[in-house]
Amino acid sequence: NAGVTQTPKFQVLKTGQSMTLQCAQDMNHEYMSWYRQDPGMGLRLIHYSVGAGITDQGEVPNGYNVSRSTTEDFPLRLLSAAPSQTSVYFCASSGRTGGLGELFFGEGSRLTVL
Amino acid sequence: AQSVTQLGSHVSVSEGALVLLRCNYSSSVPPYLFWYVQYPNQGLQLLLKYTSAATLVKGINGFEAEFKKSETSFHLTKPSAHMSDAAEYFCAVSVGGSNYKLTFGKGTLLTVNP
Repeated sequence: NAGVTQTPKFQVLKTGQSMTLQCAQDMNHEYMSWYRQDPGMGLRLIHYSVGAGITDQGEVPNGYNVSRSTTEDFPLRLLSAAPSQTSVYFCASSGRTGGLGELFFGEGSRLTVL
Repeated sequence: AQSVTQLGSHVSVSEGALVLLRCNYSSSVPPYLFWYVQYPNQGLQLLLKYTSAATLVKGINGFEAEFKKSETSFHLTKPSAHMSDAAEYFCAVSVGGSNYKLTFGKGTLLTVNP
């Protein structure tokens, strides 16, 4: 199993550009989420989904959009990138039948906004 | 609202020495608590979790943690550090008993000296 796959691993954007971070999981997990990791800040929840067609905001949702059209995929869209969005982004998934709170993480996408 | 506080952003130990990483939690309901580990350039993976069963929880790689309600603590320990333990460690609490929404601490970077 591939687990949680994120693409791209690295990306450099200019201020104002848009892009989509892709996330796919092959474990048939109901729950998927996006976190951003910044030095000294830990991980902060951006958006999450409890199933196809259902999404909700986390702690830091501004400037990001998500959608969940399939169980497998949960892309994160930056509509107009800002330097404050320079960060490492992690996608995670978990299943109802799995252990409580056990999130499976991708390897991360490092984004730099100039 | 639930939160966790990790005491010490950086801990340095000698190989073979005791590892102690501190985590205190705040929760209005019985919490579910977790420790995750992040090795360089990788995503996070679950070390261990407390879900109201035994208060002493054993995890992977020889780590364990004890839930102490009176001290609102969930400190992570390992009797003898190994070079391969060098990583960043995150304490987390489940939001409202959720299986997918975790609130993470800011992390503690563990350095192991030869």
